Amino acid sequence: KAGVTQTPRYLIKTRGQQVTLSCSPISGHRSVSWYQQTPGQGLQFLFEYFSETQRNKGNFPGRFSGRQFSNSRSEMNVSTLELGDSALYLCASSLTNTAEQFFGPGTRLTVL
Amino acid sequence: GQQVMQIPQYQHVQEGEDFTTYCNSSTTLSNIQWYKQRPGGHPVFLIQLVKSGEVKKQKRLTFQFGEAKKNSSLHITATQTTDVGTYFCAGPSAGGTSYGKLTFGQGTILTVHP
Repeated sequence: KAGVTQTPRYLIKTRGQQVTLSCSPISGHRSVSWYQQTPGQGLQFLFEYFSETQRNKGNFPGRFSGRQFSNSRSEMNVSTLELGDSALYLCASSLTNTAEQFFGPGTRLTVL
Repeated sequence: GQQVMQIPQYQHVQEGEDFTTYCNSSTTLSNIQWYKQRPGGHPVFLIQLVKSGEVKKQKRLTFQFGEAKKNSSLHITATQTTDVGTYFCAGPSAGGTSYGKLTFGQGTILTVHP
């Protein structure tokens, strides 16, 4: 099976812009979670989607949003980018109610 | 809120030495997971522990879950250069309704000198 794919892999934006990141889970996986990874804060949970519904949400401002499509693909959007949004954004998929999270390679976002 | 602490933050060892990283949660966990992230890579699932006092082995790696289900450890025997990376523990977040919401420890960065 193909692994989790994320596009784009690298992105450079300027403050105030918005960005959309895409994640394609492993075939058959219906749960998709998003995490932000930074050197200072580590891995922090953003949100989880299951069957097109947001099932869990982390402590991030409303500028961070996401959605999931009927084919389980997910997107996350960050509006009004700030310098502090520079991070590696990781998507993980899993089978329903199983523990193992399969992470994608991530999207490296740099905000200038 | 729930916190998962990991120590040490860094560990430098000579190849062949043992390595241990410790994980402590502020709340009781239903399970704990361990992940490894190679430099420049993404986290890769290693194992899940569910039972109080559980011990699991994967070749040179030994994982333990504390009796109170609030702490865990990962021990690597006779490290190799391929063990280099960051090791994370993670537990289901308090109030989370599924496994998809994990609270990660800060990770232990392991460097192995040949």
